[in-house]
Amino acid sequence: AQSVTQPDIHITVSEGASLELRCNYSYGATPYLFWYVQSPGQGLQLLLKYFSGDTLVQGIKGFEAEFKRSQSSFNLRKPSVHWSDAAEYFCAVRSGYKYIFGTGTRLKVLA
Amino acid sequence: DAGVIQSPRHEVTEMGQEVTLRCKLISGHNSLFWYRQTMMRGLELLIYFNNNVPIDDSGMPEDRFSAKMPNASFSTLKIQPSEPRDSAVYFCASSLIVKRSAEAFFGQGTRLTVV
Repeated sequence: AQSVTQPDIHITVSEGASLELRCNYSYGATPYLFWYVQSPGQGLQLLLKYFSGDTLVQGIKGFEAEFKRSQSSFNLRKPSVHWSDAAEYFCAVRSGYKYIFGTGTRLKVLA
Repeated sequence: DAGVIQSPRHEVTEMGQEVTLRCKLISGHNSLFWYRQTMMRGLELLIYFNNNVPIDDSGMPEDRFSAKMPNASFSTLKIQPSEPRDSAVYFCASSLIVKRSAEAFFGQGTRLTVV
């Protein structure tokens, strides 16, 4: 069955430090992959998506993600984190019409 | 476009009462999802509509839950009777599924508290 694993439940980084959030997926065919961010009390906002082509995709707010088929991974990165990036981040894979979400990674940013 | 609009944003109700959550899709989208988010279970897909037709309701917890899509732009999720364990944040999301790269656009959610 298709699934998404986000191994880190919580991550804490200092403002200005680099960030990498991990995502592993299980899917038989070419996956359509997404990263969403959820700020407290808000809905999910799309950061970026991958469906074909260049395996390094750029998103909003300075985020990027790299699709690695050999590792079944789609990790999210940001070179310098801002305090406003504190939120919960969800990786998702689209399987047919379904969007299957990981359990999320909560990011805390230290001043 | 104003995005996916959900109402109310917050709902507090007593156990046994009927609750109706509302969702307005993005114009032109043909797919509608209702999700429930809890700390214990994360994001769960409750039901999926395509072109106003319910395609997959396997995630609806029990018969107390029902969802309708009376037209292409509007949906309701009803819980009758409500129970404390239904307390959660309920999201609706819409998409244009015919596009292979289509993402789901989420509303801001309805926080339901059943006391």
